[in-house]
Amino acid sequence: EPEVTQTPSHQVTQMGQEVILRCVPISNHLYFYWYRQILGQKVEFLVSFYNNEISEKSEIFDDQFSVERPDGSNFTLKIRSTKLEDSAMYFCASGQGYQETQYFGPGTRLLVL
Amino acid sequence: GQQLNQSPQSMFIQEGEDVSMNCTSSSIFNTWLWYKQDPGEGPVLLIALYKAGELTSNGRLTAQFGITRKDSFLNISASIPSDVGIYFCAGLAGNTGKLIFGQGTTLQVKP
Repeated sequence: EPEVTQTPSHQVTQMGQEVILRCVPISNHLYFYWYRQILGQKVEFLVSFYNNEISEKSEIFDDQFSVERPDGSNFTLKIRSTKLEDSAMYFCASGQGYQETQYFGPGTRLLVL
Repeated sequence: GQQLNQSPQSMFIQEGEDVSMNCTSSSIFNTWLWYKQDPGEGPVLLIALYKAGELTSNGRLTAQFGITRKDSFLNISASIPSDVGIYFCAGLAGNTGKLIFGQGTTLQVKP
């Protein structure tokens, strides 16, 4: 069964460093998303991406965040200058349509020191 | 902003018991979803609800979409140890696929 994959599974970084989180969505999906989950809290929407552009972003997704689909298969989330409060689990998700089921990846656990 | 309130926050039950949890919102959602999250993993979709009043089952799970489109419940019958996890309701907001999640209900099942 097709699944969303994410790498790395864990990343530890120093405050101020750039990180890139990678995702490979399900191949025939057209809508891509990033969510984050701070430890013990609910899942929060960051950004949705369709037709090679951002369709919606949340207040969390400020200028330090960017997304890219560089090669038609990967979908990346970049945090330019990480802050302590960026420590969280980051989930990528994809779906065939915006009303269709979103399938979540296993997540990348980011720890900013 | 739009928020979903889930209750109860946590439940500790005996294996074999039935479980009920619900989710309410001050806003209308046209699609409600129930996800389960195991520790260290991503949410997995259990049931999707598209029509007000809709009652949908998936094995031992049953979910209903409230008539007002502002609430939903999830029932699990005859619980088993592998039902342990966090259950999230989510509402589809707008036309970009954005999901709004509730705070989750943590379920523990005692064998």
